[in-house]
Amino acid sequence: DVKVTQSSRYLVKRTGEKVFLECVQDMDHENMFWYRQDPGLGLRLIYFSYDVKMKEKGDIPEGYSVSREKKERFSLILESASTNQTSMYLCASSRLATGQNEQFFGPGTRLTVL
Amino acid sequence: GENVEQHPSTLSVQEGDSAVIKCTYSDSASNYFPWYKQELGKRPQLIIDIRSNVGEKKDQRIAVTLNKTAKHFSLHITETQPEDSAVYFCAASLNSGYALNFGKGTSLLVTP
Repeated sequence: DVKVTQSSRYLVKRTGEKVFLECVQDMDHENMFWYRQDPGLGLRLIYFSYDVKMKEKGDIPEGYSVSREKKERFSLILESASTNQTSMYLCASSRLATGQNEQFFGPGTRLTVL
Repeated sequence: GENVEQHPSTLSVQEGDSAVIKCTYSDSASNYFPWYKQELGKRPQLIIDIRSNVGEKKDQRIAVTLNKTAKHFSLHITETQPEDSAVYFCAASLNSGYALNFGKGTSLLVTP
């Protein structure tokens, strides 16, 4: 079974705090992704990575950064959390090779910024 | 970039009826179109996908059709059951190994 885990299910932070969200996958997947999910807006891509130390901006990268120092781990960083970053954050991973590209999602982290 | 539009945003059907969800995309270079199902409180899971060299794909009660000329694709669920109630997301990608652009989702309710 593919397993994608996220460090927290629920997180409450204060405005201005630095926030780290961690994602770990155990299937040696090349690709990893961070999305945020908001009611009525679907899944919006924040950042993704095809390999260690590589990162690509998604549709809404502003206010976020990422780190991928090891293949199995992809971190999302909110440098200075703001209330408009209150959301559900979903991590996903997949293989790079064509034909094996199902994205496997983690359970999500519901972040509240006060 | 790619823009994926999904309709309807909500859909209510009676058990046994069919449900159809439609998506359009903007980038004619897109060639991979998956559908994900997200049950309440759970993570999204892939239910079916189609690549641009195929016009239709079926898996038991679900099917996806693709019209590349019109740049739209649809999910068809036949003989709906209450356990089909969930949010369904369509997506499009330049390649099946690339990042996905998701639609905003359709909340399907199947009533007994």
